Amino acid sequence: QAVVTQEPSLTVSPGGTLTLTCGSSTGAVTSGHWPYWFQQKPGQAPKTLIYDTSSKHSWTPARFSGSLLGGKAALTLSGAQPEDEADYYCLLSYSGAWVFGGGTKLTVL
Amino acid sequence: QVQLVQSGAEVRKPGASVKVSCKASGYTFTDYYIHWVRQAPGQGLEWMGWINPNSGGTNYAQKFQGRVTMTRDTSISTDYLELSRLRSDDTALYYCARQHSGVVYWGQGNLVTVSS
Repeated sequence: QAVVTQEPSLTVSPGGTLTLTCGSSTGAVTSGHWPYWFQQKPGQAPKTLIYDTSSKHSWTPARFSGSLLGGKAALTLSGAQPEDEADYYCLLSYSGAWVFGGGTKLTVL
Repeated sequence: QVQLVQSGAEVRKPGASVKVSCKASGYTFTDYYIHWVRQAPGQGLEWMGWINPNSGGTNYAQKFQGRVTMTRDTSISTDYLELSRLRSDDTALYYCARQHSGVVYWGQGNLVTVSS
């Protein structure tokens, strides 16, 4: 089974910009992995931010965007807010089987 | 609206089995696969597998094959996850989830505690 890798932790200043990445042990991440990005805050179920690489929901703040970058899926946060402090998980699909990344703990400080 | 309502918390001893449920409402039960995802305390999300409620077909993550069984009862729109030969590291919140059009709907989770 594939292993999906994320940065364990990242820190960003309020108003700052950063990119979280999501790599696959099987090679380059493509749109065919249907990358998802979830935000999870303590005591809550994960919330979908991005699906199918770059699509957003109505509740996804405009400061979040998804893309493919250097063979990985990427989540870019432009203009970080204190409320963005959370855990972020990517999800890749391998012919219908899901594999989650280990998660990135984002600190806004 | 789509709702996935899971059964309550469970406590089991090592070596025992546990069966948790996920009752669906707000949509046609047999139209969407149900995935099971668990999260150990302070840890990340781990996919366990899915069930096709229409056919009963399943796809289990390699790690859980031989220990996990996913079933469904279409008459009551409920899916089940059974995990056997429990170990202490199976202590986790077990979520059922349904994906459609980029949205993943989550149940509230079942806390399963494995302790002697």
